[in-house]
Amino acid sequence: AQSVTQLDSQVPVFEEAPVELRCNYSSSVSVYLFWYVQYPNQGLQLLLKYLSGSTLVKGINGFEAEFNKSQTSFHLRKPSVHISDTAGYFCAVSMIYNQGGKLIFGQGTELSVKP
Amino acid sequence: DAGVTQSPTHLIKTRGQQVTLRCSPKSGHDTVSWYQQALGQGPQFIFQYYEEEERQRGNFPDRFSGHQFPNYSSELNVNALLLGDSALYLCASSLLQGTYEQYFGPGTRLTVT
Repeated sequence: AQSVTQLDSQVPVFEEAPVELRCNYSSSVSVYLFWYVQYPNQGLQLLLKYLSGSTLVKGINGFEAEFNKSQTSFHLRKPSVHISDTAGYFCAVSMIYNQGGKLIFGQGTELSVKP
Repeated sequence: DAGVTQSPTHLIKTRGQQVTLRCSPKSGHDTVSWYQQALGQGPQFIFQYYEEEERQRGNFPDRFSGHQFPNYSSELNVNALLLGDSALYLCASSLLQGTYEQYFGPGTRLTVT
């Protein structure tokens, strides 16, 4: 079975500071990896994805993530956050063999950016 | 280009009742997935529809059922509602032979009293 663990349920940070949101996964098969953002009272928006190739992936809004196969991690980073980055962030995996199939999500991390 | 749309936005039902939620996929997409997101939790996969058939199913009871229409839109039905069914229900659309990205709608907030 596959699972995703987001190690921090809440991350408070000051505006313009760097941030890292941690994600670890467990899977016996190869997976694709995703980060989604959820603003209050909205659905999910894709920030970035790792399918193959370079392990450093750049996404929207200045976010990037690095896939580490040996540590089964896919941590999300941003060098300087803005108030508008306050939102819920969800890491997810899908199994490569199950093309286009279900996403398995972590519990989410609430990022709170303070002025 | 309209993205994924869902209706209604909010819904209040009583225990034991039945509810139907609706989803229209992004233009060009042929696959619809449904997720349940309880407050403070990550989304949980309910099922996925492709070519009007249930392609995959998560660990949800038979009270949860769905349908996909020839125009790719979809419905989620929940019978015999329980208080624990209160959640945000998210619909996501994708192209099965595409880039594995799922596009999410704004969700339907269901409250069971």
